Amino acid sequence: DQQVKQNSPSLSVQEGRISILNCDYTNSMFDYFLWYKKYPAEGPTFLISISSIKDKNEDGRFTVFLNKSAKHLSLHIVPSQPGDSAVYFCAAGTGANSKLTFGKGITLSVRP
Amino acid sequence: GAGVSQSPSNKVTEKGKDVELRCDPISGHTALYWYRQRLGQGLEFLIYFQGNSAPDKSGLPSDRFSAERTGESVSTLTIQRTQQEDSAVYLCASSFQNGGVDEQYFGPGTRLTVT
Repeated sequence: DQQVKQNSPSLSVQEGRISILNCDYTNSMFDYFLWYKKYPAEGPTFLISISSIKDKNEDGRFTVFLNKSAKHLSLHIVPSQPGDSAVYFCAAGTGANSKLTFGKGITLSVRP
Repeated sequence: GAGVSQSPSNKVTEKGKDVELRCDPISGHTALYWYRQRLGQGLEFLIYFQGNSAPDKSGLPSDRFSAERTGESVSTLTIQRTQQEDSAVYLCASSFQNGGVDEQYFGPGTRLTVT
């Protein structure tokens, strides 16, 4: 049973436009959510996080939105840059236990 | 400073052999995690060490898998009698856990291929 779902395997956007990456979860115990970015042959690197007491967190070009009632979060990247091309993983955890549950990832391609 | 390192970067082994994967976490990080990523899948939690507490082994897929950690340093993941379905990238991560969920820093992974 997949508790964190990234239903779209890929996304292609034009440089300068907005990229919106979506993630859904089923476990209502999750109270902390993270996005990781992964380049080929490298480990994932932390991008941005949000706790369940917030509905938005912003860091530069990256904003994460959380809709708890819909069990849905999204990552917005604006403006998108070619260097943003990578695989993006959504992950979730609980305050009481730091192990993370990851989605399958989405491959973002930003066209110059 | 140095990040999380893993060795070997690639390992090809014959079915039935044992393999040992190594992880060197970031110095000072008290928590260490092992995940694996099969082709086309997300990261799958395997095991978690936190200080001197008993490890959380709830993600280990079978008793062929085991892991050890020496204090707050090196960890080894051992897979006995490897099977083809064990082929995956094995990722190690560490964090300076200060209670609750926090940022995990990942190593580059070990790509294991069982032939």
